[in-house]
Amino acid sequence: RKEVEQDPGPFNVPEGATVAFNCTYSNSASQSFFWYRQDCRKEPKLLMSVYSSGNEDGRFTAQLNRASQYISLLIRDSKLSDSATYLCVVNPGSGTYKYIFGTGTRLKVLA
Amino acid sequence: EAQVTQNPRYLITVTGKKLTVTCSQNMNHEYMSWYRQDPGLGLRQIYYSMNVEVTDKGDVPEGYKVSRKEKRNFPLILESPSPNQTSLYFCASMRGNTGELFFGEGSRLTVL
Repeated sequence: RKEVEQDPGPFNVPEGATVAFNCTYSNSASQSFFWYRQDCRKEPKLLMSVYSSGNEDGRFTAQLNRASQYISLLIRDSKLSDSATYLCVVNPGSGTYKYIFGTGTRLKVLA
Repeated sequence: EAQVTQNPRYLITVTGKKLTVTCSQNMNHEYMSWYRQDPGLGLRQIYYSMNVEVTDKGDVPEGYKVSRKEKRNFPLILESPSPNQTSLYFCASMRGNTGELFFGEGSRLTVL
């Protein structure tokens, strides 16, 4: 089992739709969780951190479910500009900084 | 402007010809790291550095070397490149209090 797993997609959704991605992680001791956005052939950029209490930033909501070992990203009112690959990133913690990346979920928002 | 700068951005080389990819950050971050990204495999960590003169292996260190003589610079060295090192490479630094990674624009390396 991979340490961090994501559905590669692509998720093709119309503008205005709500879309959700999940990411599962295998190490129950993992401490930090993030969603990054990567546009084609560009560098990843932080979209949001994922806190135990969940967090929201505009149209984006991230949640953590420690019991089932997954994090989720919800995008409401999708825009064409949301088309990108979304990377789930986990820091196993315990003094290590070996960030583990999922392979990404590709989103295409269609006009 | 806060940034991580990698050079070269694109490079085609031949097997066995030593090369160095430079990485520099202007945010005074202590932590820096190198990743390679390959289709279907995602980003994999090559090496990371917690501070000057402190480096450690990531998940795929074979064939690579790094050094951290100053806080701002973290070069990646391929002593004898091979075709399986053809990849897209990213350098990153980390803001300590948040864990956020800041990436360079990437270096696309082709080894023939």
